[in-house]
Amino acid sequence: AQKITQTQPGMFVQEKEAVTLDCTYDTSDPSYGLFWYKQPSSGEMIFLIYQGSYDQQNATEGRYSLNFQKARKSANLVISASQLGDSAMYFCAMREGTNQAGTALIFGKGTTLSVSS
Amino acid sequence: EPEVTQTPSHQVTQMGQEVILRCVPISNHLYFYWYRQILGQKVEFLVSFYNNEISEKSEIFDDQFSVERPDGSNFTLKIRSTKLEDSAMYFCASSELGGRREKLFFGSGTQLSVL
Repeated sequence: AQKITQTQPGMFVQEKEAVTLDCTYDTSDPSYGLFWYKQPSSGEMIFLIYQGSYDQQNATEGRYSLNFQKARKSANLVISASQLGDSAMYFCAMREGTNQAGTALIFGKGTTLSVSS
Repeated sequence: EPEVTQTPSHQVTQMGQEVILRCVPISNHLYFYWYRQILGQKVEFLVSFYNNEISEKSEIFDDQFSVERPDGSNFTLKIRSTKLEDSAMYFCASSELGGRREKLFFGSGTQLSVL
């Protein structure tokens, strides 16, 4: 069964607008961490933001924020004030387990974001 | 900033040949990983390695694959007899610790083409 689901294969946004990339996850473990990575056309995987299952507040990192809705098992990435350089593939990922021992980081299929001027 | 280094960036091989993909993880990291990505598709977990042994592996990581840390700095992925479907980008990653909070740092990948 899919542990991470990203239903939007592609998203389009104008520069300076905000965009939300969807991610839902499936786990029965109460301890898990959720990650977003960016993969530009050059291919490298760049860490963006992390949200822990016990974190009370939604994570934020600069223009990135995570809309974490635990009961709905969703962890959507919000990018504010989009820039041309945000055009890339975005992957949602999850690790289960404790702070000492986590499982492998498992990725969703990704969403391609295209930002136009 | 410290980074994970992978060599070569591109590797072309004939079907049935053995290939070794090399990685130098970040020096104070204890956990190492291999992932692969078939063109434009999802990033798939292969194996994780800690304390000189495999800690977790996926069903993709069959007997054709092996990993090794031959010295204090390198981490290698060997594919014994390559198949056409092994063509993919292979990413090495490392993390300082192995808990659920630990983010993985990825290398730039090795593009493997099996002909």
